[in-house]
Amino acid sequence: DAGITQSPRHKVTETGTPVTLRCHQTENHRYMYWYRQDPGHGLRLIHYSYGVKDTDKGEVSDGYSVSRSKTEDFLLTLESATSSQTSVYFCATADSTDTQYFGPGTRLTVL
Amino acid sequence: GQQLNQSPQSMFIQEGEDVSMNCTSSSIFNTWLWYKQDPGEGPVLLIALYKAGELTSNGRLTAQFGITRKDSFLNISASIPSDVGIYFCAGLINGANSKLTFGKGITLSVRP
Repeated sequence: DAGITQSPRHKVTETGTPVTLRCHQTENHRYMYWYRQDPGHGLRLIHYSYGVKDTDKGEVSDGYSVSRSKTEDFLLTLESATSSQTSVYFCATADSTDTQYFGPGTRLTVL
Repeated sequence: GQQLNQSPQSMFIQEGEDVSMNCTSSSIFNTWLWYKQDPGEGPVLLIALYKAGELTSNGRLTAQFGITRKDSFLNISASIPSDVGIYFCAGLINGANSKLTFGKGITLSVRP
């Protein structure tokens, strides 16, 4: 367990509203990741970060942006939420071996 | 792109039985990871394998990194009801900005 927390754990919002999910880690891991998990698709990478202010896109990045201003925090923002973004979102961090550790997840529902 | 194959999607076993799960790929990986996910929780790392041929145990779990680097297996011995969950394999090609490739997972059910 890499000391990863996610907030909020559950959120219901309406289409078109902005949403920000927060990932906080206490392990000083360099790498951080955001995934979404959907039935039939498994875990898919949205964005990742390899250091403060260094981020890159994953395979399903459209409609999402991220920011990392401190080592311990990685924010995922949905600028204008859509129903297709209803999902469970997981944050992960990686240590020097590249082994990834996951947070508890955020269940987001967009109505 | 790289894909990891896990099958079947679901497995049903009797409490006390052993079960083995495979993960295969057409690509070579330098690290293999096995995770378990309980309902409503995030994936939890069970075993990490870093060298071809490596055999590693964690309690009743044993995992091996295939010699070809294209496969791995996870064995659970003497299953118990709390082994129920989804088991994911993941592969990694180490290097700058490494990204995990995940299998779709196997849902394990254990009958008491």
